[in-house]
Amino acid sequence: AQSVSQHNHHVILSEAASLELGCNYSYGGTVNLFWYVQYPGQHLQLLLKYFSGDPLVKGIKGFEAEFIKSKFSFNLRKPSVQWSDTAEYFCAVTKGGGSQGNLIFGKGTKLSVKP
Amino acid sequence: GAVVSQHPSWVICKSGTSVKIECRSLDFQATTMFWYRQFPKQSLMLMATSNEGSKATYEQGVEKDKFLINHASLTLSTLTVTSAHPEDSSFYICSARKGYTEAFFGQGTRLTVV
Repeated sequence: AQSVSQHNHHVILSEAASLELGCNYSYGGTVNLFWYVQYPGQHLQLLLKYFSGDPLVKGIKGFEAEFIKSKFSFNLRKPSVQWSDTAEYFCAVTKGGGSQGNLIFGKGTKLSVKP
Repeated sequence: GAVVSQHPSWVICKSGTSVKIECRSLDFQATTMFWYRQFPKQSLMLMATSNEGSKATYEQGVEKDKFLINHASLTLSTLTVTSAHPEDSSFYICSARKGYTEAFFGQGTRLTVV
């Protein structure tokens, strides 16, 4: 069965620090990969997604993620975080190749940015 | 992006009663809707997948008689927690899929059973 692993449960950074959140998945076939963000009191929002093509994906609000197939990883990065990035971040995967597979989520990483 | 609205945002009910949660796609037609449950500090766990006009497909371990799902139209799915008990207290989230891959999420419903 597919699974998604997020390495950090809680990350605390100061503003302007660089961010990297780890995500690894277990499925060996073609996958679609997603990062979602949940701001306090709000619903999940899509930050970025990878379906195919350039493995370096740029999303909203300055976030990017790199798909490394050999490592089954899809780490999320941001060069300089802001206080407003405080939120919970979820990595998710679904089977690719046209399949209508369901999203499998990681446990989430809570990011706290100190002003 | 597309908007998915979930109602209510929070609900408190007495043990033994039933609670209905609605999930609506406001500006698109969703052929597939998903219901998730999220425990504190845990991932979103898929409970069931519902397609408009057909029976929901439940994940292993989810009681279909307890968590009734109805997907009556392309814009509305409901989850009814029947005979709720304190262990059913959780955060329930729906999502609706537009196309084959991208899903949009509701804001979630915090259910507390007392």
